[in-house]
Amino acid sequence: DGGITQSPKYLFRKEGQNVTLSCEQNLNHDAMYWYRQDPGQGLRLIYYSQIVNDFQKGDIAEGYSVSREKKESFPLTVTSAQKNPTAFYLCASQTSRDGSPLHFGNGTRLTVT
Amino acid sequence: AQSVTQPDIHITVSEGASLELRCNYSYGATPYLFWYVQSPGQGLQLLLKYFSGDTLVQGIKGFEAEFKRSQSSFNLRKPSVHWSDAAEYFCAVYSNYQLIWGAGTKLIIKP
Repeated sequence: DGGITQSPKYLFRKEGQNVTLSCEQNLNHDAMYWYRQDPGQGLRLIYYSQIVNDFQKGDIAEGYSVSREKKESFPLTVTSAQKNPTAFYLCASQTSRDGSPLHFGNGTRLTVT
Repeated sequence: AQSVTQPDIHITVSEGASLELRCNYSYGATPYLFWYVQSPGQGLQLLLKYFSGDTLVQGIKGFEAEFKRSQSSFNLRKPSVHWSDAAEYFCAVYSNYQLIWGAGTKLIIKP
């Protein structure tokens, strides 16, 4: 079955360490997104990518980095510069940026202590 | 700037009762509107969408939503809720190649 796989589901890191969250899709979608979710704040866009080797900052990109070397993969690195990294991170994909619905992975909960 | 407001943070409904979740948006043109549902610790699943045409749209799991341009609203309804409907519900509008999200409404079902 086609879908989006995020791994791991839970991730624990010490403050000051960089950590990379994986997102893989086999839907052949062009566009991919990373969102951060905090209680009561809905979804906030971190980065998005429309095509391979291209990506743009979203509303809260500071302290994060991404790459899009393959169509299927859009990993997110949470760097030590992110001041409050503990959150639930969601990856999504879309056929193209034309208003079609997003398909979501099941998320990664990152806890930094 | 475009925005989406879900005025109710939490709603409690008895099992079997009807449900209406409110969503208001701010957008100049005819919007693309969505409702998603999220179970605890999971990703979001599309319930329904409105692009154009009939203002009453049917979705999965027995949900429907009505687009009212005059009220800038896209409220989600279900005639009879089940305990499995307990989740968080998000309304979103597509604007400038991005989705603008509401803050979500948590639905609590009373037995």
